[in-house]
Amino acid sequence: QVQLQESGPGLVRPSQTLSLTCTVSGGSISSGNHYWTWIRQPAGKGLEYIGRIHDSGSTNYNSSLKSRVAISVDTSKNQFSLTLSSVTAADTAVYFCVRAAAGPISNWFDPWGQGSLVTVSS
Amino acid sequence: QSALTQPRSVSASPGQSVTIACTGTSSDVGAYNYVSWYQQYPGKAPKLMIYDVSKRPSGVPDRFSGSKSGNTASLTISGLQAEDEADYYCCSYAGSYTVVFGGGTELTVL
Repeated sequence: QVQLQESGPGLVRPSQTLSLTCTVSGGSISSGNHYWTWIRQPAGKGLEYIGRIHDSGSTNYNSSLKSRVAISVDTSKNQFSLTLSSVTAADTAVYFCVRAAAGPISNWFDPWGQGSLVTVSS
Repeated sequence: QSALTQPRSVSASPGQSVTIACTGTSSDVGAYNYVSWYQQYPGKAPKLMIYDVSKRPSGVPDRFSGSKSGNTASLTISGLQAEDEADYYCCSYAGSYTVVFGGGTELTVL
């Protein structure tokens, strides 16, 4: 079955750019008409939707993060990536990469990566 | 979008039933039959338990059920078991190809 694994630095300096990559295994990122998403969770808090990408390159973002976020896809590597610029301590969270439901709505998410803790600190 | 509203915590004894409410607005929960629920153990990734308001993915016990009335969705767990103790999050499509999550509910099995 499809599995997702996040990778990237665990520590980012304030005002710098956070970058994470999600590697998809057990299936092609280009099959099934799925969108591929990023969701984050600050420690002890709830989940926050960041955005999504289709293998065609089409993206949608949470309006609260739109000015700082970019999601890209590399179908040759079966990966998709997240960049978040001008980070502050408020961006400290566990970042999950997740496959969204097939189709245009992406209203449910499964499976999830194990999560990657990113701490923003000097 | 504002987060959906969930009770911070609920509790019940083994064998009993418990219902977790998730209140949104006419722009999200009330507008679409696209509510999903996730179970999360400490330090683990969330797991999909219910989608499209009331559908169960393969492998999820039928003790878990979902429903919706107006702007409020609900997750009911019947025949509560110790292993059901976890955090539960609701999620709703909110239009414009985005979703909004609830703040999460901690379920304690007494």
